[in-house]
Amino acid sequence: GAVVSQHPSWVICKSGTSVKIECRSLDFQATTMFWYRQFPKQSLMLMATSNEGSKATYEQGVEKDKFLINHASLTLSTLTVTSAHPEDSSFYICSANRQLNTEAFFGQGTRLTVV
Amino acid sequence: RKEVEQDPGPFNVPEGATVAFNCTYSNSASQSFFWYRQDCRKEPKLLMSVYSSGNEDGRFTAQLNRASQYISLLIRDSKLSDSATYLCVVNQGASGSARQLTFGSGTQLTVLP
Repeated sequence: GAVVSQHPSWVICKSGTSVKIECRSLDFQATTMFWYRQFPKQSLMLMATSNEGSKATYEQGVEKDKFLINHASLTLSTLTVTSAHPEDSSFYICSANRQLNTEAFFGQGTRLTVV
Repeated sequence: RKEVEQDPGPFNVPEGATVAFNCTYSNSASQSFFWYRQDCRKEPKLLMSVYSSGNEDGRFTAQLNRASQYISLLIRDSKLSDSATYLCVVNQGASGSARQLTFGSGTQLTVLP
């Protein structure tokens, strides 16, 4: 069964609104989770590293004020897309590892469509 | 140069064929290597890890050449259900640092009846 659960699996929102995506590790504690974005026919691109109890680390070119990350507990990280625009429409996926250098488990992904 | 480069594909092969995917990575300090499979509109799922000595899992064989910074995946006796995008994934995290995976752009495989 899934070890990382992501919710919602899809969402449609209006331009200018905010959308929150949740990522939960189900049977292990994850001090670090990762958020990716994937555009059609492209690979996953790391957006940010979510660190429990501290600020997220954002990749170059990713606006931290637009993509708010909160990792308030060892099993939950949230990504909030603020003031969404149509160009933010994408597939957002989170991942976590049980231990260092081990397999990454991915959430089911969230398909965001901004209209 | 991209950090992880893969054959662009797409590969369209008949059932039963053998198909090979290649991948190169630029960071010689990379620690671990994987092949993931991603079905359309789904999350990636681990197909197999890649070990220095090469490893096999049923019809799938993965090989790693650290000197050439090259990874391969061989699929024998391909099935219709093998149709997917195959992602070459490299973990460039150093010991003690957060895990970060770098993904290749993926190679699309379609197995035809």
